[in-house]
Amino acid sequence: DIQMTQSPSSLSASVGDRVTITCRASQSISRNLNWYRQKPGKAPNLLIYAASSLQSGVPSRFSGSGSGTDFTLTISSLQPEDFATYYCQQSYKTPYTFGQGTKLEIK
Amino acid sequence: EVQVVESGGGLVQPGGSLRLSCAASGFSFSSFWMHWVRQVPGKGLVWVSRINGDGNRPTYADSVKGRFTITRDNAKNTLYLQMNSLRAEDTAVYYCAGDADTSGWSTFEYWGQGTLVTVSS
Repeated sequence: DIQMTQSPSSLSASVGDRVTITCRASQSISRNLNWYRQKPGKAPNLLIYAASSLQSGVPSRFSGSGSGTDFTLTISSLQPEDFATYYCQQSYKTPYTFGQGTKLEIK
Repeated sequence: EVQVVESGGGLVQPGGSLRLSCAASGFSFSSFWMHWVRQVPGKGLVWVSRINGDGNRPTYADSVKGRFTITRDNAKNTLYLQMNSLRAEDTAVYYCAGDADTSGWSTFEYWGQGTLVTVSS
């Protein structure tokens, strides 16, 4: 199975900050990498697909980059609704696997 | 408007069975791969199973292979997960997710609200 490792596991930041979350795959997955945001008690919401493509309706403060094994999600200016948990997910091959999550908290 | 609604969760004893349903509307259900993803409360997301639009290509995580069966009824726009020989470690919120295959990339675009399965004596 492909292992997905996110860092950091948790992060404290303030509204307006720029934050970056990284995700590393245990083998090359090309650009088959998605990012999701999950608010407490809610289902995940797709933000970025194919490593760097912004999902329709998602604010442009979200961006993604990377290919192969190393990927990043950047939020350019944190908004109150962004304090949530973020997951990367590889869709290169089954079993599809998720990172362990990065919890973004208010400083 | 897209709607995805899971049902069928509940409390079941170890070794028991449960069937989850996922009713979808607002998108071309029969064209979508569909997935089940589970999450132990407070923990991360774990992919469980997927099935193609025609319903003839199911795939499973090793942890559920041989115990869970994914099926779909395109006439009813409904996805199912039959869960047998349930274990305590199957306790989780189960989400149904529609894979939009956006521009050829697998994307879990449409999610339900989840249904809680608790396996306990």
